[in-house]
Amino acid sequence: GAVVSQHPSWVICKSGTSVKIECRSLDFQATTMFWYRQFPKQSLMLMATSNEGSKATYEQGVEKDKFLINHASLTLSTLTVTSAHPEDSSFYICSARDYYRGFQETQYFGPGTRLLVL
Amino acid sequence: DAKTTQPTSMDCAEGRAANLPCNHSTISGNEYVYWYRQIHSQGPQYIIHGLKNNETNEMASLIITEDRKSSTLILPHATLRDTAVYYCIVVIQGAQKLVFGQGTRLTINP
Repeated sequence: GAVVSQHPSWVICKSGTSVKIECRSLDFQATTMFWYRQFPKQSLMLMATSNEGSKATYEQGVEKDKFLINHASLTLSTLTVTSAHPEDSSFYICSARDYYRGFQETQYFGPGTRLLVL
Repeated sequence: DAKTTQPTSMDCAEGRAANLPCNHSTISGNEYVYWYRQIHSQGPQYIIHGLKNNETNEMASLIITEDRKSSTLILPHATLRDTAVYYCIVVIQGAQKLVFGQGTRLTINP
């Protein structure tokens, strides 16, 4: 149980284009989803928290107009990197939390999406 | 959330028990100790968590000292597939987010 998927697993795009990454909870309803970014040889950095049906909460320094997050259903959240530039190249990871599973603090992570902007 | 301190790296022989320490001396009474691991180029994997009692599941055991200022994650029979970065995270009850430190890079040697 507690499986989270991401699509695509990797993407290469040209500078200036937008890229959408999907995060799905496969066997539970995720009231809260999180988006992280990880640069090479660094730890995960939280970008934003999204609750189903409401606006995402962004961490300090993360541009909300550049990283659009939509959590329209209890099993799907999307992250859109708008007008991507080479410095946005990174490993993007989502996680989901199921309040009703018992331990609401436990997050389950997706496999990650590697983005390369040329 | 309380800060955690972990060794940067550790080595362990295959088949032996891997004991990963974590110091969280400023932990408060309503904070859980969580362990995740990240195998290269994958998303983090939940391992185990506890509040004050020792915990065991199919993956590992978590030993928390009586004063709760430190804990040890034990992988009883390490395999090569356990090579990963292990993160010890202290999470306040009801918290919205996890804060990842640098973790411990565990290498299992044949």
